Amino acid sequence: QLQLQESGPGLVKPSETLSLTCTVAGDFISSSSQYWGWIRQPPGKGLEWIGSIFYSGSTYHNPSLKSRVTMSVDTSKNHFSLKLRSVTAADTAVYYCARLHYDSGLDVWGKGTTVIVS
Amino acid sequence: QSVLTQPPSASGTPGQTVTISCSGSSSNIGSNDVYWYQQVPGTAPKLLIYRNNQRPSGVPDRFSGSKSGTSTSLAISGLRSEDEADYYCSAWDDSLSGPVFGGGTKLTVL
Repeated sequence: QLQLQESGPGLVKPSETLSLTCTVAGDFISSSSQYWGWIRQPPGKGLEWIGSIFYSGSTYHNPSLKSRVTMSVDTSKNHFSLKLRSVTAADTAVYYCARLHYDSGLDVWGKGTTVIVS
Repeated sequence: QSVLTQPPSASGTPGQTVTISCSGSSSNIGSNDVYWYQQVPGTAPKLLIYRNNQRPSGVPDRFSGSKSGTSTSLAISGLRSEDEADYYCSAWDDSLSGPVFGGGTKLTVL
């Protein structure tokens, strides 16, 4: 059974870089039918797609985050990562990683990790 | 401001049928499949409907999705107390090259 787990610091200072990792268990991250994505949810608000990455390293990201986002994948560790630079209080949110399957969409989610910028 | 538009709230009594609407545009719902997610507060979203009207295994057939043009809706029949949650519609957006979401609808079971 596929499981995803986010990890990283829960507190980041303003102007610094938020770094998160999503570890994939139960499937190979290098499967061809899926991307791996990051989604966030500010307190009391809705969902916002941050970006997606293929095992080859090909990425798509939300233009609203401009050039602050970097995503990477490590197939040897079966995990993928997110870096968000120059954070502000507006980046405070629960960050989720998820599988983006070509057929079934965001069908498996991690439990989420809360990141506070302060 | 979310790309897809949903009503902020909906409600119903046990046993009733509730419908949640979601509208978008030609670059998302109008040209791509729709997905619905259920989120119980404090937990991660859960896929409820994929490809407009398909249910993942384990999702009761009380949940159904439909799509017409640039709008979509989620119907929940035989409403139960455990259906109380936030519901989000989503679709791939060709302009964004990524998924967009509605703002969420909070369903209350009275």
